[in-house]
Amino acid sequence: DQQVKQNSPSLSVQEGRISILNCDYTNSMFDYFLWYKKYPAEGPTFLISISSIKDKNEDGRFTVFLNKSAKHLSLHIVPSQPGDSAVYFCARAGGTSYGKLTFGQGTILTVHP
Amino acid sequence: AAGVIQSPRHLIKEKRETATLKCYPIPRHDTVYWYQQGPGQDPQFLISFYEKMQSDKGSIPDRFSAQQFSDYHSELNMSSLELGDSALYFCASSPEGGLGEKLFFGSGTQLSVL
Repeated sequence: DQQVKQNSPSLSVQEGRISILNCDYTNSMFDYFLWYKKYPAEGPTFLISISSIKDKNEDGRFTVFLNKSAKHLSLHIVPSQPGDSAVYFCARAGGTSYGKLTFGQGTILTVHP
Repeated sequence: AAGVIQSPRHLIKEKRETATLKCYPIPRHDTVYWYQQGPGQDPQFLISFYEKMQSDKGSIPDRFSAQQFSDYHSELNMSSLELGDSALYFCASSPEGGLGEKLFFGSGTQLSVL
């Protein structure tokens, strides 16, 4: 039972444009959602998070939107840069330890110069 | 700044062999997590330790065991290896079992079972 789903395996965007990565979830209760970025041969790196009591969280070029009625969240990157090219994972924190993350399948973002 | 260190980076084993993966957390981090990422898959939580005690357990096979030592480093022991165990194994550490954004991941150990 995939509780966090990223339905787009890949996304290609031109430099300077907006990148929108999507994530759907099930079994909603009080939750905490996170986005991680992963480069090849490296571990995931935390990008931005949002609590289910909020609708939006912004950090520089990165904004995460949470639509609780649709059980959907999205990550917006504006403007996109070639260095943003990576795999992006949506994750939900939960369980008896907060670090027990349930990840989505990931979306490969490619930003073309 | 010091990061999470995992060793070895790559490991090749035969079926039915055993493997030991090591993880050295960031200094003063007392919580360690293990994740398994199969080819083309999302990372799956295996197990976590807080102050040397198991704090949570995920989809870890009975053939696997793990522990956290007095210096907070952790080892994942895998026995009777199967082809399906081939994966990238990540360790992450955090201070005081904090929320996900306080997880710092290592670069992983790539295990190949032949």
